Amino acid sequence: DTAVSQTPKYLVTQMGNDKSIKCEQNLGHDTMYWYKQDSKKFLKIMFSYNNKELIINETVPNRFSPKSPDKAHLNLHINSLELGDSAVYFCASSLGQGSGNSPLHFGNGTRLTVT
Amino acid sequence: GQNIDQPTEMTATEGAIVQINCTYQTSGFNGLFWYQQHAGEAPTFLSYNVLDGLEEKGRFSSFLSRSKGYSYLLLKELQMKDSASYLCAVRPDTGRRALTFGSGTRLQVQP
Repeated sequence: DTAVSQTPKYLVTQMGNDKSIKCEQNLGHDTMYWYKQDSKKFLKIMFSYNNKELIINETVPNRFSPKSPDKAHLNLHINSLELGDSAVYFCASSLGQGSGNSPLHFGNGTRLTVT
Repeated sequence: GQNIDQPTEMTATEGAIVQINCTYQTSGFNGLFWYQQHAGEAPTFLSYNVLDGLEEKGRFSSFLSRSKGYSYLLLKELQMKDSASYLCAVRPDTGRRALTFGSGTRLQVQP
């Protein structure tokens, strides 16, 4: 199936650990994103890559490091996890060029719980 | 800065019509999107407006007034499966391409 897929779906870990979330899209899009959705369901942009190049880096702690090995993949590595990092993390992709009506297509999310 | 406001919660009856409003104040404007998100699932794209007026797509319609910074999503013939959160999002800048989201409106459809 054509889609945005991210793994794992659930991630439970202790404070101080380092973890990674992987994302892949086979939609042929050249722009990918990481969004964080907090307990109040507010979706906030963290990072955006276009053709492996970082184009958006919002005010996110340095403990968060995205990596894009190619335009179909955007992984998120988090160092020294803190309780406040608990949230659902969504990967998304869109067409990078052309008209502005290209919607974002979201993965199913990774629910991160830090204990 | 970016500011997008929507009501937090709404309740409606099966078979009825409901209108979910969204107002925005953003640094730029290159389109407004509506997404549906069921609990525990990913947001899914519903509609897109960039010009003033109404866009209709089956039971769902979306309206935009750029001069007023205002949009609404209209859901007709409500079904129980329409119970979900509805997210209004603006693309402020085509270069950055990312969407800025409102906090969403949780719609509960009752029998």
